[in-house]
Amino acid sequence: NAGVTQTPKFQVLKTGQSMTLQCAQDMNHEYMSWYRQDPGMGLRLIHYSVGAGITDQGEVPNGYNVSRSTTEDFPLRLLSAAPSQTSVYFCASRTGSGTGGEKLFFGSGTQLSVL
Amino acid sequence: RKEVEQDPGPFNVPEGATVAFNCTYSNSASQSFFWYRQDCRKEPKLLMSVYSSGNEDGRFTAQLNRASQYISLLIRDSKLSDSATYLCVARKGGGNKLTFGTGTQLKVEL
Repeated sequence: NAGVTQTPKFQVLKTGQSMTLQCAQDMNHEYMSWYRQDPGMGLRLIHYSVGAGITDQGEVPNGYNVSRSTTEDFPLRLLSAAPSQTSVYFCASRTGSGTGGEKLFFGSGTQLSVL
Repeated sequence: RKEVEQDPGPFNVPEGATVAFNCTYSNSASQSFFWYRQDCRKEPKLLMSVYSSGNEDGRFTAQLNRASQYISLLIRDSKLSDSATYLCVARKGGGNKLTFGTGTQLKVEL
């Protein structure tokens, strides 16, 4: 059971470059989300989705785009990377509601450095 | 003021000790609370949910005090393997956004 698969694990970008962080889950979860984790800031929500075709902004959405064309995949796009986007990124998913609906399953994270 | 605040620690305790962490939240609309555990350079994992009546899972006990707006996590008989960062998490009503604290680091020593 793969759970939440996130790639790549490490990435170095130059300022202005674009890239996509991939996230896939095989648990048929309705809810998927992207967080960034910075020292002293805790995990902050970037974007989230409650189902295919539905996305919404979180706390820190600027500079990031998402789409949800399938239940399984939720990629995060950095349009023009900036040093302020240097962070550890986590993708997470959960069921929509009901039993187990509270538990977030996280991917293993992407360490991104923007030079 | 941060919506969810935790003492960053580190809490250094000997093996077998009892240790408690508190977490305060500022938004009275927060309805659901959780403790997540995060090992160094790893992803967070749900440790336990926190219920109004308090709940216990083995050596771990979580409590909620709505009047004072804090939640607590008690770990009894600490093990070396309990060394990690413990994240306090709050959720408003049935909303989709979780608010994470910055975490409390625990180091259990021989």
